[in-house]
Amino acid sequence: SQKIEQNSEALNIQEGKTATLTCNYTNYSPAYLQWYRQDPGRGPVFLLLIRENEKEKRKERLKVTFDTTLKQSLFHITASQPADSATYLCALDNSNSGYALNFGKGTSLLVTP
Amino acid sequence: EAGVVQSPRYKIIEKKQPVAFWCNPISGHNTLYWYLQNLGQGPELLIRYENEEAVDDSQLPKDRFSAERLKGVDSTLKIQPAELGDSAVYLCASSLGTGNTGELFFGEGSRLTVL
Repeated sequence: SQKIEQNSEALNIQEGKTATLTCNYTNYSPAYLQWYRQDPGRGPVFLLLIRENEKEKRKERLKVTFDTTLKQSLFHITASQPADSATYLCALDNSNSGYALNFGKGTSLLVTP
Repeated sequence: EAGVVQSPRYKIIEKKQPVAFWCNPISGHNTLYWYLQNLGQGPELLIRYENEEAVDDSQLPKDRFSAERLKGVDSTLKIQPAELGDSAVYLCASSLGTGNTGELFFGEGSRLTVL
């Protein structure tokens, strides 16, 4: 069966450090992978998209890598700030269902001063 | 530009009662999605529309759930009758179109509590 797995435990890091979140998938052949941020009581907000033929993508303090051999994406936030505290969701297109996005459970990140 | 608008934000009903959620997508977005999100889980797709056509409703529990998107713009999601297990957040999202690898724009969600 298809699975999208993200760190189930919350990630606690100190302000200024780099946060690294993991997304692993099985039985998908995604053309692209997306990362979203979700704050409590709010809808998810798009952060980054990386295509299958791209190894790395950057946007300001964010960096995403995509390894289709390992079936894994890593999401990095450098120089983390307390305002980065949120849940981060990994999403893959599902070619079996018309390319609609399937989401992982998300990883909760807490950045402490 | 206005984002995806959903209403109501919160709804509390007793089991077996009906409930309806409304979504107004971003202007020009042909594709509309309804997702369900349980606490501590990621969003799960219920139904996807391309304009007014439901192109993927395989995850929609059709015995009690129904959806429509008249004129290819606004959409409503209905549950009748509601069960205790339906308590969740119902998220609406829109995008320019499938095949387009662009982002999804989500509304704030409608939180349903069934007592």
